[in-house]
Amino acid sequence: GAVVSQHPSWVICKSGTSVKIECRSLDFQATTMFWYRQFPKQSLMLMATSNEGSKATYEQGVEKDKFLINHASLTLSTLTVTSAHPEDSSFYICSALLREGSDTQYFGPGTRLTVL
Amino acid sequence: SQQGEEDPQALSIQEGENATMNCSYKTSINNLQWYRQNSGRGLVHLILIRSNEREKHSGRLRVTLDTSKKSSSLLITASRAADTASYFCATDPRPGAGSYQLTFGKGTKLSVIP
Repeated sequence: GAVVSQHPSWVICKSGTSVKIECRSLDFQATTMFWYRQFPKQSLMLMATSNEGSKATYEQGVEKDKFLINHASLTLSTLTVTSAHPEDSSFYICSALLREGSDTQYFGPGTRLTVL
Repeated sequence: SQQGEEDPQALSIQEGENATMNCSYKTSINNLQWYRQNSGRGLVHLILIRSNEREKHSGRLRVTLDTSKKSSSLLITASRAADTASYFCATDPRPGAGSYQLTFGKGTKLSVIP
């Protein structure tokens, strides 16, 4: 149980286009999901906390107009990278809390974004 | 923001040996968690230790926590080639109810040579 999927697993796009990444909790409902980005050989950096039915909370330095997060249902959160540029190329990983009060986050397999 | 620090950054051992990785952090925590990441993949949760616990076991994994020193260690016994991965510690930095937000360390890259 507690499986989180991401789609797509990798994407290559041209500079200036927008890319949507989906994060789904497959066998549980997640009121809270998190989005991270990871540069090569570096750690995960939290970008935002996504709560179902409300606006996402962004970490300092993360542009909310550039990284649009929508958590419209208890099993789906989406991250849209708008007007992507080469510096947005990264590994994006989502996670979901199994349930309120749980300390454990379950992570998706990640999405590799390459912007040409 | 708080950042955990793992050491060593890289560790190479022979199969069958034990691997020890350390993590230090800076502020009070609610809990500390260890994750594993295979190259280019997502994270797998290994073990969670709460601030009021000192040691925890799970299979070949042993985690210790010293809140006075703000440090934790992950021991993998009888290592296998399949243990080759990067290992991260992550802290929930806000005590009490917890915010569930995690701050990750830089990771230790473990290579187990068959």
